[in-house]
Amino acid sequence: SQTIHQWPATLVQPVGSPLSLECTVEGTSNPNLYWYRQAAGRGLQLLFYSVGIGQISSEVPQNLSASRPQDRQFILSSKKLLLSDSGFYLCAWTRRDYTNTEAFFGQGTRLTVV
Amino acid sequence: RKEVEQDPGPFNVPEGATVAFNCTYSNSASQSFFWYRQDCRKEPKLLMSVYSSGNEDGRFTAQLNRASQYISLLIRDSKLSDSATYLCVVNKGGPGGFKTIFGAGTRLFVKA
Repeated sequence: SQTIHQWPATLVQPVGSPLSLECTVEGTSNPNLYWYRQAAGRGLQLLFYSVGIGQISSEVPQNLSASRPQDRQFILSSKKLLLSDSGFYLCAWTRRDYTNTEAFFGQGTRLTVV
Repeated sequence: RKEVEQDPGPFNVPEGATVAFNCTYSNSASQSFFWYRQDCRKEPKLLMSVYSSGNEDGRFTAQLNRASQYISLLIRDSKLSDSATYLCVVNKGGPGGFKTIFGAGTRLFVKA
């Protein structure tokens, strides 16, 4: 069966510090991978999605970057965090070969920038 | 204009009520449609897919109108446990494959 792991679950970081969130998927190959952010009381905002190794599409201009060094690994990074980067970050995967696929989410990382 | 738009609510309804959520999408190339449920401080989970012919799962009925680019979710006989945020989701084709786009969600509070 497929599983998705995302860590850490909770993170408190000072303004200006770097960030690295990691997400890995098991039990499938060639997934589409996504990073979403959810601000408090708001909906999900798509930040990045990837259809393959090294292929990253950015949806919104921001202080973050993403990388996909391996097929089932997706990393969200920042060199210098801003207060506005606080939020609930969710990694997800979908099948690539079938459009009627549901999205499977990791348990999320709650980031607080102080 | 957002690609997927929903009324944010909140909807406050008594137990037993029928409540309907609406969603519109902007891109006619959208291919698949879903409703997800998100509980407070948790990740979203699939509630049901939405098919052109309409589909039902117990107290939940989903409908799709491709001509109007409109999706709906009807919940009958609301339960306290239905309190959550309901997210409209669209899979849209594009270069290299497709991507999954979420609406901002509609919050539902069911009260005794």
